[in-house]
Amino acid sequence: GQNIDQPTEMTATEGAIVQINCTYQTSGFNGLFWYQQHAGEAPTFLSYNVLDGLEEKGRFSSFLSRSKGYSYLLLKELQMKDSASYLCAVMDSNYQLIWGAGTKLIIKP
Amino acid sequence: ETGVTQTPRHLVMGMTNKKSLKCEQHLGHNAMYWYKQSAKKPLELMFVYSLEERVENNSVPSRFSPECPNSSHLFLHLHTLQPEDSALYLCASSQAEASSYEQYFGPGTRLTVT
Repeated sequence: GQNIDQPTEMTATEGAIVQINCTYQTSGFNGLFWYQQHAGEAPTFLSYNVLDGLEEKGRFSSFLSRSKGYSYLLLKELQMKDSASYLCAVMDSNYQLIWGAGTKLIIKP
Repeated sequence: ETGVTQTPRHLVMGMTNKKSLKCEQHLGHNAMYWYKQSAKKPLELMFVYSLEERVENNSVPSRFSPECPNSSHLFLHLHTLQPEDSALYLCASSQAEASSYEQYFGPGTRLTVT
């Protein structure tokens, strides 16, 4: 079966750095997405990786290793507004997104 | 209006009621999706419409019936639901041709079945 694993919850301190991991087993691979979802709001797109390596976008970076079925989202200089759930999703061979259950990130002052 | 809109935002219905959820996208996309989001569970893809043709239904119960009259509008018709159908229902849209095109989500309809 297809499976996406990510931690249920993480806590970090304002101004610090946090890394949210995602491992996947899917039938085919056509890219990995990270989305941010604040409580009661719609998920919003953060990043897309299809080749191995690191993609940097401001305070957020996303890494992919296809051979290991592994990705991480790195958040730097954490701000209180970064408190949200972070969803990892993989596009399979049918171009459908397979979603993880999300990681709830709690930022403390 | 911009982006993806959904109405209503909240809905409470009895198990014998019939209701419909509406989604509209203003992004010029040609693919639309219905997802179910339950607490602490992954997003569940329910239906996909690409170029107004349904391409996937993922064995969703027949008490959920989608309708896509054109590329900008998507409906989810609900009838004789069960309490376990209570969840957040999200609509999304994207460009169908490219795998790198992200999906844009609406704010969702919070459904409670009593």
